[in-house]
Amino acid sequence: DTGVSQDPRHKITKRGQNVTFRCDPISEHNRLYWYRQTLGQGPEFLTYFQNEAQLEKSRLLSDRFSAERPKGSFSTLEIQRTEQGDSAMYLCASSLDGGNQPQHFGDGTRLSIL
Amino acid sequence: GESVGLHLPTLSVQEGDNSIINCAYSNSASDYFIWYKQESGKGPQFIIDIRSNMDKRQGQRVTVLLNKTVKHLSLQIAATQPGDSAVYFCADVGNQFYFGTGTSLTVIP
Repeated sequence: DTGVSQDPRHKITKRGQNVTFRCDPISEHNRLYWYRQTLGQGPEFLTYFQNEAQLEKSRLLSDRFSAERPKGSFSTLEIQRTEQGDSAMYLCASSLDGGNQPQHFGDGTRLSIL
Repeated sequence: GESVGLHLPTLSVQEGDNSIINCAYSNSASDYFIWYKQESGKGPQFIIDIRSNMDKRQGQRVTVLLNKTVKHLSLQIAATQPGDSAVYFCADVGNQFYFGTGTSLTVIP
């Protein structure tokens, strides 16, 4: 399968702990996106990369959140000092470079904060 | 602010009937839209896209219509099947990364 892969699929942790998620995009895709989705809502944009460069960050991305894509391939999203409100599905998507390319999503990591 | 929204949060249709899901957007500069289908526990799945230089685009059993005058697009699903039950999102991903709240489609056998 050559789709977007996310790991882990589920993460349960206690409030205050740090968590890290990984996303492996479709191999030829230069762009990689992170979204957050809560129940009953559409995905909310967090940030995106073109190759290894982080080009845009939403104001939703507080200073407890950090995303990296060091080699322009896989990406990690880390949340430090997790809070109850961080409970959500974290989705990764990738696309080809250039204007107006479709984003293809992984199945997400569901984070539950106890 | 700019937004992408859907007219109805839920839609129920009889199996075999056609479904129409509507979406309004507010950014007149928006030039690329995607319809996604999301099943429970899965990520959004690309269905069909349309660029602003088009009014209509057809796929397999799906058609997207774009009316730039009133900033409205719709997704039509022909001969709706139980497997079409899901949440459908329209997304403005040309200039921004906005998704609507979604319409939950339920197909009644």
